[in-house]
Amino acid sequence: EAGVAQSPRYKIIEKRQSVAFWCNPISGHATLYWYQQILGQGPKLLIQFQNNGVVDDSQLPKDRFSAERLKGVDSTLKIQPAKLEDSAVYLCASSLGTNNEQFFGPGTRLTVL
Amino acid sequence: GESVGLHLPTLSVQEGDNSIINCAYSNSASDYFIWYKQESGKGPQFIIDIRSNMDKRQGQRVTVLLNKTVKHLSLQIAATQPGDSAVYFCADNEGGTYKYIFGTGTRLKVLA
Repeated sequence: EAGVAQSPRYKIIEKRQSVAFWCNPISGHATLYWYQQILGQGPKLLIQFQNNGVVDDSQLPKDRFSAERLKGVDSTLKIQPAKLEDSAVYLCASSLGTNNEQFFGPGTRLTVL
Repeated sequence: GESVGLHLPTLSVQEGDNSIINCAYSNSASDYFIWYKQESGKGPQFIIDIRSNMDKRQGQRVTVLLNKTVKHLSLQIAATQPGDSAVYFCADNEGGTYKYIFGTGTRLKVLA
């Protein structure tokens, strides 16, 4: 069974630029998560989707971050404009449902210069 | 791949020895706990979980112990192998919700 796919794996941008990350969850997984992992810290949940609806986006900096999962499968996370403190690994995870084991993708490493 | 957690607490153990990684959680209402392993350049990988109605759960070479009185969780790895070298995170379900709260992580180094 294929795992969670993410692209790109690495991205380097300058501050104030925009960037987008893509995630393809495991087939059949209704729940999709985006996490931010700053170097030296554990992952922090940014947003959780159940199918194409948002369950929790309380930790998402909505002035610059946005995410969508229009057809309930793939998802994109966008940052516009990026700040230096956005440098982190952005992890996507999926699960069958809200209370099921989460499977993580390899992450996208973002460096903001 | 990139390194995960350059400034994390580090535990160094000899190959073949047992490892014990500790974690504290803050929310006494949390009732589900998970240990994840994260290798460099990869996402976290599930190792073992435990619910609050248990004190101990064993897997293959791994054991998780839960002490709810002091809000402490530990992961024991028996006969540590070079492939166990990684960063280990504990997570809890934030007071019984669906949301996982991750700890800061511990880097395990296995010495040959």
